Amino acid sequence: GAGVSQSPSNKVTEKGKDVELRCDPISGHTALYWYRQSLGQGLEFLIYFQGNSAPDKSGLPSDRFSAERTGGSVSTLTIQRTQQEDSAVYLCASSWARDSKAFFGQGTRLTVV
Amino acid sequence: SQQGEEDPQALSIQEGENATMNCSYKTSINNLQWYRQNSGRGLVHLILIRSNEREKHSGRLRVTLDTSKKSSSLLITASRAADTASYFCATDASGSARQLTFGSGTQLTVLP
Repeated sequence: GAGVSQSPSNKVTEKGKDVELRCDPISGHTALYWYRQSLGQGLEFLIYFQGNSAPDKSGLPSDRFSAERTGGSVSTLTIQRTQQEDSAVYLCASSWARDSKAFFGQGTRLTVV
Repeated sequence: SQQGEEDPQALSIQEGENATMNCSYKTSINNLQWYRQNSGRGLVHLILIRSNEREKHSGRLRVTLDTSKKSSSLLITASRAADTASYFCATDASGSARQLTFGSGTQLTVLP
């Protein structure tokens, strides 16, 4: 595709429900990042995938958060038993390699009510 | 904690003036990047400067890097109202840290 695609654009869920957020990176990009951004704040790193290497999960805030990347392409971020503090914009980015510029999707705005 | 911290947090200038934003970071880096964000959604890459470079230009953008001070600056010359956005620096740390780490951003407002 032309760029990084994220779906859904917006998601409203009830507290306690599970949600899945999807990211389609640019074809051929080996690196994929997930970030979270609360209103007016900076980007909080969540998880990083690079090729076939073990992902860097050091930014996941709790064990309710998990992510996978199937076939080195599409990635899914799963949040179990959502809480109100999970409300944020979740941004995905991909790049050719770790030290090259990242291309961002438009994000998924998650609202937990 | 954030690797990069931008300064100032907010900046308001008149159209035509220059805007300077600064970024400080904590660890050794491979490169430093600047991004722009409109309306709180996707970020757009502006410029990348490697650790062995000291200055880089792209159109109206000028970036400097001082690895001894662990700091970078982004200069936007002859600003336009359309430059209004949030600007973030991001560092690709050397060593075992693998994440691209972002600062908290500078909100730039260019008044027409």
